[in-house]
Amino acid sequence: GQQVMQIPQYQHVQEGEDFTTYCNSSTTLSNIQWYKQRPGGHPVFLIQLVKSGEVKKQKRLTFQFGEAKKNSSLHITATQTTDVGTYFCAGPSYNQGGKLIFGQGTELSVKP
Amino acid sequence: GAVVSQHPSRVICKSGTSVKIECRSLDFQATTMFWYRQFPKQSLMLMATSNEGSKATYEQGVEKDKFLINHASLTLSTLTVTSAHPEDSSFYICSARDLRGLHGYTFGSGTRLTVV
Repeated sequence: GQQVMQIPQYQHVQEGEDFTTYCNSSTTLSNIQWYKQRPGGHPVFLIQLVKSGEVKKQKRLTFQFGEAKKNSSLHITATQTTDVGTYFCAGPSYNQGGKLIFGQGTELSVKP
Repeated sequence: GAVVSQHPSRVICKSGTSVKIECRSLDFQATTMFWYRQFPKQSLMLMATSNEGSKATYEQGVEKDKFLINHASLTLSTLTVTSAHPEDSSFYICSARDLRGLHGYTFGSGTRLTVV
């Protein structure tokens, strides 16, 4: 079945270092979404990418959607302790309207 | 932006009892809501899709009679965990999508269920 894979599972960085998480789908996606879940919290929508090769920035966060619309990445420049949490990518199911397929998530910890 | 309210945030219940979790879309109508379960350090596992005015669609392996879903209005979906057992202890989260804009899916704050 359709799968969304995300690596790495964990990333520990020193504050100020950069961080990247990668997402790969087994199928071409109409869009890809990114969510952040703080420890003890719930997922919060960050962004949606729709176009092939699209790049979007939110302050220190850069999101990219691959040309084939099967992979995506989230890059954080100069991490801060407020970036701590788990980052999930998610893509829509190709055959079930509205259903999202989530990646396994990348848990980011930042050492001050 | 879109807001989804989920209650209760935490609940402790005895084995064999039932627990109802509510999920409300506060400022938009949601014909479809999604119920997830999340174990510690793991991703979100979709349990079922709740459809307003019709039966829910359950994912493979999810017991329909154990996890009762009702979506009686365009703003309210409920998940009832019946005859709860300790293995049902988990974090349950609902989500819905505001179709008016590109806001992705909005999640409720989640319910931490502990069955003792």
